Amino acid sequence: EVQLVESGGGLVRPGGSLRLSCGASGFTFSNAWMSWVRQAPGKGLEWVGRIKSQTDGGTTDFAAPVKGRFTISRDASKNTLYLQMNSLKTEDTAVYYCTTVSGGSHYYWGQGTLVTVSS
Amino acid sequence: QSVLTQPPSVSGAPGQRVTISCTGSSSNIGAGFDVHWYQQLPGTAPKLLIYSNSNRPSGVPDRFSGSKSGTSASLAITGLQAEDEADYYCQSYDSSLSGYVFGTGTKVTVL
Repeated sequence: EVQLVESGGGLVRPGGSLRLSCGASGFTFSNAWMSWVRQAPGKGLEWVGRIKSQTDGGTTDFAAPVKGRFTISRDASKNTLYLQMNSLKTEDTAVYYCTTVSGGSHYYWGQGTLVTVSS
Repeated sequence: QSVLTQPPSVSGAPGQRVTISCTGSSSNIGAGFDVHWYQQLPGTAPKLLIYSNSNRPSGVPDRFSGSKSGTSASLAITGLQAEDEADYYCQSYDSSLSGYVFGTGTKVTVL
């Protein structure tokens, strides 16, 4: 059974940093493309960024609102995906979901972790 | 601001058929990129409902079906049930943005 478990959310001041983690199990993590998707309170889904599998180059892409501030990395030895968020803004407040990416779809989703950016 | 437009809400009585549209442009759906659909029940994470325009993952009832034509796509729910009350999102890839895009979301209400 595929499981994705996010952690690391919490309250952070504007301008601060936070690192989210996503523990993966039930599939071959090293072969998977992975994404982060967020959902602001009461709003819709917004794609944040994606990392390809190591075999496909391990490159990352990001949505315009977070480009230059967020980075994604992966540790195959720990089956863990990371989202490093810097220079956080109040508009980054959201539930952040970790997902697998397959054929362009976000196939499996974690339960999400809440990030609140507030002074 | 999402580049995929959905109606904010649709409703229907139990047993009826409802459809949700997803309108894109020549840089996403119209460019040939697949459309995927997600169901988000209240207070839960989204779940993949339809992938690659019209395919259902294992366990998704055949009451749910998807189609795509030109710059738009549609999700149909036949035999509407109370448990189908949820938010539904379409998603594709946009070549101009070089990234994935989600629709604005549609709330389905069972009357």
